[in-house]
Amino acid sequence: DAGVIQSPRHEVTEMGQEVTLRCKPISGHNSLFWYRQTMMRGLELLIYFNNNVPIDDSGMPEDRFSAKMPNASFSTLKIQPSEPRDSAVYFCASSYGTGLVDQPQHFGDGTRLSIL
Amino acid sequence: GENVEQHPSTLSVQEGDSAVIKCTYSDSASNYFPWYKQELGKRPQLIIDIRSNVGEKKDQRIAVTLNKTAKHFSLHITETQPEDSAVYFCAAVNDYKLSFGAGTTVTVRA
Repeated sequence: DAGVIQSPRHEVTEMGQEVTLRCKPISGHNSLFWYRQTMMRGLELLIYFNNNVPIDDSGMPEDRFSAKMPNASFSTLKIQPSEPRDSAVYFCASSYGTGLVDQPQHFGDGTRLSIL
Repeated sequence: GENVEQHPSTLSVQEGDSAVIKCTYSDSASNYFPWYKQELGKRPQLIIDIRSNVGEKKDQRIAVTLNKTAKHFSLHITETQPEDSAVYFCAAVNDYKLSFGAGTTVTVRA
């Protein structure tokens, strides 16, 4: 299995630009998670989907952030407009579950985002 | 919501010694407790997990204990090796909510 695949691995852009991060979960997994990791705030859960439906988006920082999962094999996290404080490593993870979050999660390699 | 506290924030041990990391949680309904290891610049990887109906679980040199009454759980690494150097995160899960601890940077001195 290829594991969770994220793209791009690195993104550098200027503030105000739109940023789109992409994730392909492990085949057969039906839960998908987006995390943000910074030195100051650690690892934060932003949103998670089960069977393509957003279950909990309480971690999404503000309206500039949006996430979609149009099908079982693809999800996007979009930031518009981007700000320097959005600079972080964004991880996507997937698991197999009923909607509860009590199954092992498999993380992708992350996207290192730098907003200038 | 759930609040997970993790101690210590840094831990330096001599190769071959044991390392212990402790976490406390606030929500008594939490029922799943995974531990992740993250090497520098890499993804977090699950190393062991425990559910609320189990008090202890062991996998080779790694063990986790859970005290539901006191609401704390611990990771024990025995016979530490240089490749154990990493950041370790605990987490607590209550149905739809997952909260991570702040992480412990473990350095194993050769």
